Amino acid sequence: KAGVTQTPRYLIKTRGQQVTLSCSPISGHRSVSWYQQTPGQGLQFLFEYFSETQRNKGNFPGRFSGRQFSNSRSEMNVSTLELGDSALYLCASSQTGTGPQETQYFGPGTRLLVL
Amino acid sequence: AQKVTQAQTEISVVEKEDVTLDCVYETRDTTYYLFWYKQPPSGELVFLIRRNSFDEQNEISGRYSWNFQKSTSSFNFTITASQVVDSAVYFCALRSNFGNEKLTFGTGTRLTIIP
Repeated sequence: KAGVTQTPRYLIKTRGQQVTLSCSPISGHRSVSWYQQTPGQGLQFLFEYFSETQRNKGNFPGRFSGRQFSNSRSEMNVSTLELGDSALYLCASSQTGTGPQETQYFGPGTRLLVL
Repeated sequence: AQKVTQAQTEISVVEKEDVTLDCVYETRDTTYYLFWYKQPPSGELVFLIRRNSFDEQNEISGRYSWNFQKSTSSFNFTITASQVVDSAVYFCALRSNFGNEKLTFGTGTRLTIIP
C-alpha cells in the first residue's frame, strides 16, 4: 500500500498570501489529521477530518482551515500568512480515527517558508 | 490535561553503545495509548510502536525495546548496539479519549550516533 502523500513538499510564500496544502491518505483510511511542527512549539494538532466533516480542532486561529473530500483526500488552507506560520505541516491518516488505539501514519510533510 | 515530557533534548552516543530515551506522561484517562515515532532528517514521522495502558509487558523488536511502567507513568525506549542510521529525532506521544483522541506529542529527543 502506498503511504500518505503530501503535496507540495516545499513552498515559499510572502506575508499576506494564502496557501493550500494537500494530503492523500493511505488507501482505505478515512480519517485525516493535520499537525504543525515548529522549533518553538513542537508538534501541535490542527484539526481532524472524517467523512468530510471536521471532528476535532486544535487551538489555532480561524486563518487555518481545512476540508476533506469524498475520496478522503484533504486540504488545509492558511490565509493571510504570517511569518510565524513557517513550519513543517504534517498530515496523518488512520482508518476511522475513532478510539485512541488507532495508529496514525504520517506523510513526509510540506515545508512552508513565509518571507 | 494531557502532557508528554521528554526531558532529554539531545543525546549523542558512539556507535554500538546502548541508549535509552525517556518519556513521562500525564493523563486523567484510564484508557490510553502510548506511541513512539522516529523523525529522520527527511521529516516524515515513522511509527515505531503502540502500547495500551493495560499492557505493561515490555516489548522487544530487534535492537529496539520499550519499557512501560504505569507506576511511574513512563514509557522508555532503548536502542541496543546503536547504529548511525538510528540518528533521528524521536517523539513519544499519547492518545486517549479524554484528549479528543488527538495525539499529544513530547518535544522530542534528538539522537546522534557518532561513527
